[in-house]
Amino acid sequence: QSVLTQPPSASGTPGQRVTISCSGSTSNIGSNAVIWYQYLPGTAPKLLISNNNERPLGVPDRFSGSKSGTSASLAISGLQSEDEADYFCAAWDGSLNGWLFGGGTKVTVL
Amino acid sequence: QVQLQQSGPGLVKPSQTLSLTCAISGDSVSSKSAAWNWIRQSPSRGLEWLGRTYYRSKWYNDYAVSMKSRIVINPDTSKNQFSLQLKSVTPEDTAVYYCARSLGLFDHWGQGTLVTVSS
Repeated sequence: QSVLTQPPSASGTPGQRVTISCSGSTSNIGSNAVIWYQYLPGTAPKLLISNNNERPLGVPDRFSGSKSGTSASLAISGLQSEDEADYFCAAWDGSLNGWLFGGGTKVTVL
Repeated sequence: QVQLQQSGPGLVKPSQTLSLTCAISGDSVSSKSAAWNWIRQSPSRGLEWLGRTYYRSKWYNDYAVSMKSRIVINPDTSKNQFSLQLKSVTPEDTAVYYCARSLGLFDHWGQGTLVTVSS
């Protein structure tokens, strides 16, 4: 059972904005950076957001991240069919001394 | 250019030990800033961090609490690689296993190995 809680699914039509939440605690999100990955089965996870809200080179600016207290969120604006994938949040947990991933959110483009 | 190349069997029998290796190019397993991780992905459990090894004047390991009794991650400096051993596997350990480098985040990944636990 994941300690970082994400909704199992989210959906939207092309062009819409979709937001995915990631809820944790003071020992993980509350005190460490949140990272977001996009996952397509059979491929390595792709880094979307680092350090809560930083987009690596090459990631479209449709993707944005934010964090407040012990929660974080990933927003996808201008949803495109190619955004259909699983999205995971991750953070280091200082109490467990290990990395935690969220359970993942499957985004469907209707 | 950092590259991680995984190797190991795709089929393991229940109660046996799962063994995978990750060969590193473009960096060193003895790096004093990076850590070397194993992560797995399954439809039922999503992404799950298993553990890591890293060198900071001496070798350290951190393991996920749920894995601690069954897992060993070892560096091999002579071959610049690291390995995963997961003991007493069950069908619930069926997953795609990835090795990954972390430098504050997971920035380079292996190609993934589908490991099926079945008799």
